[in-house]
Amino acid sequence: GEQVEQRPPHLSVREGDSAVITCTYTDPNSYYFFWYKQEPGASLQLLMKVFSSTEINEGQGFTVLLNKKDKRLSLNLTAAHPGDSAAYFCAVSGYAQGLTFGLGTRVSVFP
Amino acid sequence: GPKVLQIPSHQIIDMGQMVTLNCDPVSNHLYFYWYKQILGQQMEFLVNFYNGKVMEKSKLFKDQFSVERPDGSYFTLKIQPTALEDSAVYFCASRPTFSGNTLYFGEGSRLIVV
Repeated sequence: GEQVEQRPPHLSVREGDSAVITCTYTDPNSYYFFWYKQEPGASLQLLMKVFSSTEINEGQGFTVLLNKKDKRLSLNLTAAHPGDSAAYFCAVSGYAQGLTFGLGTRVSVFP
Repeated sequence: GPKVLQIPSHQIIDMGQMVTLNCDPVSNHLYFYWYKQILGQQMEFLVNFYNGKVMEKSKLFKDQFSVERPDGSYFTLKIQPTALEDSAVYFCASRPTFSGNTLYFGEGSRLIVV
């Protein structure tokens, strides 16, 4: 089955700096790719879903890059601020299957 | 945005007892999921459910687990009997039929088995 590896497990970022979280996956037939943010004690908040090959998607304060050739998905937090402190999870799925999540990255933004 | 509601938010239960976790999915959604998250670890897929049937389940979905959604009411996860290793946060999710597999998650039910 699908294996998703997410790195790094923890990340400390100075406020205003950028940070990158990367996931690699194994199933070449994976179709949908997600980034979720989870604040302590809360549920998962969908940040972005992508499904095109090698694509850069810009959100509010972050950029997502999907490279299907390398089976790599990354989340780039640009100009981190304290509200970005949370756990971030990538998730991968086929067309209609359940999501396979990465192990998560705990991000701490310090002044 | 669409909201998935879960009841209870927290439950402490004696090992061996039965527990039912309830999920009120988004009203027009037809696909339902349960995920398990042990503290500080990743979300792990348990089961998905559509049209009254389990469509797919993982090896974490033990024989002691069952799911149902009687007559359009709550989508439930029942564990009987519970074991210590069942302590986790259980997240329900739902999605509409045509959504590009986008799941909407509830806030989780934290289960502590003692």
